[in-house]
Amino acid sequence: AQSVAQPEDQVNVAEGNPLTVKCTYSVSGNPYLFWYVQYPNRGLQFLLKYITGDNLVKGSYGFEAEFNKSQTSFHLKKPSALVSDSALYFCAVRDRGYQKVTFGIGTKLQVIP
Amino acid sequence: EPEVTQTPSHQVTQMGQEVILRCVPISNHLYFYWYRQILGQKVEFLVSFYNNEISEKSEIFDDQFSVERPDGSNFTLKIRSTKLEDSAMYFCASRKDTPETYEQYFGPGTRLTVT
Repeated sequence: AQSVAQPEDQVNVAEGNPLTVKCTYSVSGNPYLFWYVQYPNRGLQFLLKYITGDNLVKGSYGFEAEFNKSQTSFHLKKPSALVSDSALYFCAVRDRGYQKVTFGIGTKLQVIP
Repeated sequence: EPEVTQTPSHQVTQMGQEVILRCVPISNHLYFYWYRQILGQKVEFLVSFYNNEISEKSEIFDDQFSVERPDGSNFTLKIRSTKLEDSAMYFCASRKDTPETYEQYFGPGTRLTVT
C-alpha cells in the first residue's frame, strides 16, 4: 500500500519570502514522487518529479523539491514566493512497477502581497 | 503545448442513469487513466489503460464502471446506473510510454452531479 501525507491544510507566506510545502510518503518499494498544482477550475498541472539520482530536483516556475529517503519526505520549495503561486498543491507517489498514483489531500498555498 | 481535454465540463444526471465521460488524451501518449475527486477529499485512482486493455484498477472501479478507447483519439469512462455517491470531479490523464517520462498529464475534469 502507498500513501501520502501533507500535514498542512494551508501555508501562508509573504511575497518574496521562501516557501516550503511539506510532504511525507509511504510506499513498499522505491518511489516515484511528484508535485502537481491546481488553480481554480483547472486540472492538475505537473510541476516536478523525483525518479532517481540527485535528491534536489528542479521543476517549473522556479519550484524545487528535496527527496529525503531516511525521512521519507519530498518537500516542495521555492526561494522567493510570488502572489501568482497561490494555488492548491498536491504531492503524489507511485510505486515502481505499478501505474496507480496516490495523491495527498492537498495544501493551499496563500502568498500575501 | 498539447493538452488533455475532457467533455463535458459539467454533467448532471439522475440516479440510475448511465453517463459517459469523454477524454481526448495527448496524441502521442499511450497510457491513459481516470481519477476522481469527491468534494473535499483526495484525488483517487480509478483505472489505467494501455494497449487497449485495463492494466490496473482500484477497488473503486467495480462492475458499474467501464472504459473504452473507441477510436484513435477518444478515451471514455462509462458509469452504469449512477448513484448519489458517484458525484465527483472526474479527471482523465495520459502519459508517454518512455523510460524518461513518468509523469501523467491531467485534463481539466468533468464535474458529475447525480441527483
